Amino acid sequence: ILNVEQSPQSLHVQEGDSTNFTCSFPSSNFYALHWYRWETAKSPEALFVMTLNGDEKKKGRISATLNTKEGYSYLYIKGSQPEDSATYLCAFREYGNKLVFGAGTILRVKS
Amino acid sequence: EAQVTQNPRYLITVTGKKLTVTCSQNMNHEYMSWYRQDPGLGLRQIYYSMNVEVTDKGDVPEGYKVSRKEKRNFPLILESPSPNQTSLYFCASSLENRKETQYFGPGTRLLVL
Repeated sequence: ILNVEQSPQSLHVQEGDSTNFTCSFPSSNFYALHWYRWETAKSPEALFVMTLNGDEKKKGRISATLNTKEGYSYLYIKGSQPEDSATYLCAFREYGNKLVFGAGTILRVKS
Repeated sequence: EAQVTQNPRYLITVTGKKLTVTCSQNMNHEYMSWYRQDPGLGLRQIYYSMNVEVTDKGDVPEGYKVSRKEKRNFPLILESPSPNQTSLYFCASSLENRKETQYFGPGTRLLVL
């Protein structure tokens, strides 16, 4: 079974703080790495899909980087806001195969 | 509107009573998948399908069946539900392209007594 690990498990920050999370995944047979944002009582929503080593993606205050050779991806949130509070999921996909999710990082932003 | 729909959204049933959770997408996606979400365990893939008549096991397929007879539909079947299948279930779909993200349905909350 593929192992995808996310850290930290949870994070509490103050409004305005910048923060980052880590997703670790197998470095072999890489196909894609997904990031999702999941708010309570809603469905996961896509943030990024990253496919190439060195990829950097940005959407507003959220950005992500990818290192497929060492098997990790970072998600950064600049100037956290209370509306950023959610669980952030990463998912690793081998070529033509299943998608394996990490357990997620729970972010709580206090105003 | 492009969407993934699931029915029912909530279901309470008893052990051993067969049930089906439907999933349908209107985006002509090839890839469809079922996940269950349990506290502390994140999303775990049950089954996935790369296209019509092509299905494969995910990480937790035991106790579940699926079928993909049409491109738009991917029902999840519990032949004999047990209490350990009490969970929140999500269906998702995407184009079969490495750069494509998945679109998730609204979720089905199942309680097996």
